[in-house]
Amino acid sequence: DAKTTQPPSMDCAEGRAANLPCNHSTISGNEYVYWYRQIHSQGPQYIIHGLKNNETNEMASLIITEDRKSSTLILPHATLRDTAVYYCIVRVPPLIIKAAGNKLTFGGGTRVLVKP
Amino acid sequence: EAQVTQNPRYLITVTGKKLTVTCSQNMNHEYMSWYRQDPGLGLRQIYYSMNVEVTDKGDVPEGYKVSRKEKRNFPLILESPSPNQTSLYFCASSSPGSGEQYFGPGTRLTVT
Repeated sequence: DAKTTQPPSMDCAEGRAANLPCNHSTISGNEYVYWYRQIHSQGPQYIIHGLKNNETNEMASLIITEDRKSSTLILPHATLRDTAVYYCIVRVPPLIIKAAGNKLTFGGGTRVLVKP
Repeated sequence: EAQVTQNPRYLITVTGKKLTVTCSQNMNHEYMSWYRQDPGLGLRQIYYSMNVEVTDKGDVPEGYKVSRKEKRNFPLILESPSPNQTSLYFCASSSPGSGEQYFGPGTRLTVT
């Protein structure tokens, strides 16, 4: 899996958009970008993933640069409940490489604090 | 509702007393895993299973056992718990065709 770099922490105002950057300059052609989050001591929660096109779901949007060396997760209207550690993971999807039961490896992540 | 459940959520036990943490998923997923999470060490995979009766060691399997007799259940067994197994444990499940993993709510285990 390619290495990712995220800022260790960031603050965001409630109701505003939160833009979380992730650098993955060594990403290879068949690796996807996944985002998960973990609210304090709860199980990690899947947010979104993408290959090269921008993606949007009910939780967030994912913007991947044209060269795929970086991406941004956007929480459009942050709430206090979005306070969590956000993890950016780059990996080959499990359908292609059937190994280790789809093991996830989290880096340090970004600790996001949404303030009123 | 699609979910992964774990029981118990909290457990305090003594060294050497066998215990089992149960995990169940209702999504018919083939893949299931157990992770432990410790401060500064992130999530580490203990064991995983890619289908019924198919299990294998993850990164930190010592002191743990698992079984997968049914697709929905994947219990974690500590035959003789020790204090270094004090941790927060998560069960997760997924299907081979999806990068999305579903995690349980966690089990906080303390071994004294």
